[in-house]
Amino acid sequence: AQSVTQLGSHVSVSEGALVLLRCNYSSSVPPYLFWYVQYPNQGLQLLLKYTTGATLVKGINGFEAEFKKSETSFHLTKPSAHMSDAAEYFCAVRKDTGRRALTFGSGTRLQVQP
Amino acid sequence: NAGVMQNPRHLVRRRGQEARLRCSPMKGHSHVYWYRQLPEEGLKFMVYLQKENIIDESGMPKERFSAEFPKEGPSILRIQQVVRGDSAAYFCASSPDGVDNSPLHFGNGTRLTVT
Repeated sequence: AQSVTQLGSHVSVSEGALVLLRCNYSSSVPPYLFWYVQYPNQGLQLLLKYTTGATLVKGINGFEAEFKKSETSFHLTKPSAHMSDAAEYFCAVRKDTGRRALTFGSGTRLQVQP
Repeated sequence: NAGVMQNPRHLVRRRGQEARLRCSPMKGHSHVYWYRQLPEEGLKFMVYLQKENIIDESGMPKERFSAEFPKEGPSILRIQQVVRGDSAAYFCASSPDGVDNSPLHFGNGTRLTVT
């Protein structure tokens, strides 16, 4: 079965600084990988996804992620943090071959300091 | 296009009562997933349904919990004889038919509080 590990349950950056949220996955087959963002008292919103093809994936709100098979990583980055980026971020992998449900990491809460 | 609709947004039940959570998927979506989020934790998969079929219920507790997605109407997650440990946010998601790499589209959740 696939699994996801997010390193760092809390990350704090200054406004304008680089955002780096880490995600490592384990998968016995080529994975489908996703990043979601959750704002307080809301559901999850898709930021970006990797399925096949280009390993650098661009998403909404200036975020991007790079699939690195050799490192089994799918880290999320943004060059310059904005106050509105403060939220919880979840990395996810398709649960298992032939199953469409996703397995989520435990989440990283991003704080942006003025 | 309306997104995934969940109701109620907030639900308060006393121990021993039943909780019914409803989810209407996005238009054109026939796959529904239920997840539970405990405070300060990630989302835990519960069940995956298509119309009139349960496809994967590997995350469902063996007792008191059930789910259905009838031919007509919303998907229902039912929790019988609720206990305090059932207090959580329950999220429903949907996806289109037959697309393995399709992302899930989430509703805003139902926050269940058991008193």
